[in-house]
Amino acid sequence: LAKTTQPISMDSYEGQEVNITCSHNNIATNDYITWYQQFPSQGPRFIIQGYKTKVTNEVASLFIPADRKSSTLSLPRVSLSDTAVYYCLVNSNTGKLIFGQGTTLQVKP
Amino acid sequence: GAGVSQSPSNKVTEKGKDVELRCDPISGHTALYWYRQSLGQGLEFLIYFQGNSAPDKSGLPSDRFSAERTGGSVSTLTIQRTQQEDSAVYLCASSLASSGSLETQYFGPGTRLLVL
Repeated sequence: LAKTTQPISMDSYEGQEVNITCSHNNIATNDYITWYQQFPSQGPRFIIQGYKTKVTNEVASLFIPADRKSSTLSLPRVSLSDTAVYYCLVNSNTGKLIFGQGTTLQVKP
Repeated sequence: GAGVSQSPSNKVTEKGKDVELRCDPISGHTALYWYRQSLGQGLEFLIYFQGNSAPDKSGLPSDRFSAERTGGSVSTLTIQRTQQEDSAVYLCASSLASSGSLETQYFGPGTRLLVL
């Protein structure tokens, strides 16, 4: 199973764009890249998933270069409520999700 | 609609006692997952159900842990002879189809277990 590496923590200010980069050097052909968000005392929540190039939804964008060895989650104009832990996962059709340590994002006023 | 629900929300037990944790998945979701989140180990997979069968039990930490799912819906995670290291938040998730983790998993709020 591919292992992911992401920064342990990041700080930002309200209104800024936040980019969190994840490395997954051993990603396999069948693997997708998925990001989850977790607030304190809650279960993780799906944010976005992609295979290659760029994916955008109402919450975030996901940029994946051609070699797929890394990906970047982009959160536009963050607010205080975006303070959370963000997990980058590489998953294929195996049922389970393998979570790393995640990136703790702290948004300051 | 209703999300994944778990009960109890909190459980305090004494070392050596058995506990049962319950998960009600989203209606119509065929796949159900149990995870555990603790300070030392992060968020780790325990077991995965497709319908009532469990094709992947690889994450269960010991034979004290077992889980079942009946009627393709509710699941129970049982921990026998609890130990202090079992203290954690136990999270349940469900997803629509059998295609594994490519389907979005919807998580419940978790059960916080404290073993004294």
